[in-house]
Amino acid sequence: LAKTTQPISMDSYEGQEVNITCSHNNIATNDYITWYQQFPSQGPRFIIQGYKTKVTNEVASLFIPADRKSSTLSLPRVSLSDTAVYYCLVGEAFGNEKLTFGTGTRLTIIP
Amino acid sequence: DADVTQTPRNRITKTGKRIMLECSQTKGHDRMYWYRQDPGLGLRLIYYSFDVKDINKGEISDGYSVSRQAQAKFSLSLESAIPNQTALYFCATSGFGSEQYFGPGTRLTVT
Repeated sequence: LAKTTQPISMDSYEGQEVNITCSHNNIATNDYITWYQQFPSQGPRFIIQGYKTKVTNEVASLFIPADRKSSTLSLPRVSLSDTAVYYCLVGEAFGNEKLTFGTGTRLTIIP
Repeated sequence: DADVTQTPRNRITKTGKRIMLECSQTKGHDRMYWYRQDPGLGLRLIYYSFDVKDINKGEISDGYSVSRQAQAKFSLSLESAIPNQTALYFCATSGFGSEQYFGPGTRLTVT
């Protein structure tokens, strides 16, 4: 199981683009990278998942370099409602029962 | 209606009492999970189930047991509650290879 390392916290102003980087040096060939968002006292919510290069959906983009030892979650033009904890997880997409959430990155958006 | 429901949402119990937390899902998924979250920390996996006949221990199963009564129902029991089991408990479900959907959580306090 690949471990992940993320910044503990980040602050950003409304309207800016926010990039949260996750390191996963021991990622395995079959591992995917998945990001979740969690608001206080709520369950985590899936944001995006990728294997390599770039993935984009209506909420975020995920950038994964060729060596796959890190990944960057990009949130475009953040608002106050994006204040949350963001978790980077690494594991097999078809065996995600052992995903480890870690402590995540606490993102605070400043008005 | 919510896809994943948990009952009760809040519970206060005394040390030594038996307590059951219940989870139901309407997504038709085979996989279900129980996590606990302590303040300021990430989620830790307690038990997971791939189908009705399959139950697996997670990283912190000691002091807990589970029952998969049906595809849609997965219960977590604390046979003899202790104060350090005070936490926020989440149930989740997933299909094969897809993201996990979380319930609203159960806040359990053991006095």
